[in-house]
Parts: sequence; C-alpha cells; structure tokens
Amino acid sequence: QKEVEQNSGPLSVPEGAIASLNCTYSDRGSQSFFWYRQYSGKSPELIMSIYSNGDKEDGRFTAQLNKASQYVSLLIRDSQPSDSATYLCALYNRKLIWGLGTSLAVNP
Amino acid sequence: GAVVSQHPSWVICKSGTSVKIECRSLDFQATTMFWYRQFPKQSLMLMATSNEGSKATYEQGVEKDKFLINHASLTLSTLTVTSAHPEDSSFYICSALKPGLGETQYFGPGTRLLVL
Repeated sequence: QKEVEQNSGPLSVPEGAIASLNCTYSDRGSQSFFWYRQYSGKSPELIMSIYSNGDKEDGRFTAQLNKASQYVSLLIRDSQPSDSATYLCALYNRKLIWGLGTSLAVNP
Repeated sequence: GAVVSQHPSWVICKSGTSVKIECRSLDFQATTMFWYRQFPKQSLMLMATSNEGSKATYEQGVEKDKFLINHASLTLSTLTVTSAHPEDSSFYICSALKPGLGETQYFGPGTRLLVL
C-alpha cells in the first residue's frame, strides 16, 4: 500500500462547480497534512495545511481531515479555469511524503 | 507565506561540465532544505535533505558524489550537479522548511537544466 494515495484523475468540473479532491494515507502517526497545487512546468505552491480533525477554510478552499479514517480532502468552491492544475496531497513524517497528484480540469 | 528563491531559473550546459544551483529562503531562516527533481509528467522525487552545518542526507539511488549539496548558512543551500550528462536534464526544485507549527515546506520556483 502506498503511503499517500490519490486518484490520478483527470477530474473534470464545470466552471462555478465544487471540485472535491481526496487523499488517503497509511501512517496513523502523521500529524501534518498539506495540499499543494502545481501548474504544468511550475513548482508546487502551498494551498492549505491542516493538523487537526475537522474543516479548515481559506477563501474558496476547504481542507477536511479525518484521522480516524485516514483521509484528507480538499474542496474548491466556485471553481475557475485558473484552478486547472495538479493537486498534490502530502503529509510530513521527517520528510514530505507525496501522493502522485490529481489532475483537475475546470471547463469554462 | 514565505518566499524561497532559486538561481538560475534555467541553464543549458555542455556534457561534462558542472552546474551549481542556489536556493535561498528570503524571509525566514531554514535549518532544513530539500532538493527535488521532476521529469516531465512525473511526480516530484526527493533527492536529498540538506541540513545547515552538517552533511546532507541522500535518498536511496541518488549519487552523493554527483549531486553535491552544501548548506552553509540558514538561508542558503546549493546543489552542484558534477560532470553533468544529458540524462541529468530535469527540473530541479528546492524547498525550505519554515520553523514553527506544522513543518511547512515552501518551494522555490525551480531550475530547468538542459545538458547537451
């Protein structure tokens, strides 16, 4: 089992819709979780960090963490074409452990 | 947030030459920095962990004599690709660990290396 798993996609949503990205992990001891966005040919950009169970909102983005079920998700409200990118889930355990990313396409 | 810079942003060199890439944390001190490599349409691959004042820790399969890492100050880490060959052509990205809650890494913009 991979340490961090994501659906590779592509996930396609219409403009204005909610995009839901999911990630599961295997290490129950993980405490820090991150969502990064990576545009093609660019380096990753931090979107959200979350450390406690529950929801954390920042603008159009909401991260959700459930440690008992070992999943973390990212919701993007009012999706825009500029949100089209690869979204990487990561957890920190002496180093960042990455998922392979989910490709999101927001269609105008 | 936090700002991490890399220089150069792209470099083209001849096979057999060495290339140095700098990574700087501009508005915070980073005792730990990381170097990644990413090939087209592939995921990020961690090459090594760079700790200020001590030797870098390399991931399995990464040649430490080929990829020299120096972290001489709390704001600067360098990666030197020695005797570069075409197969070393890739996108090299550094990140810096910002102290505080959550061990958050901030990434530099990356350096695109093309070895002819």
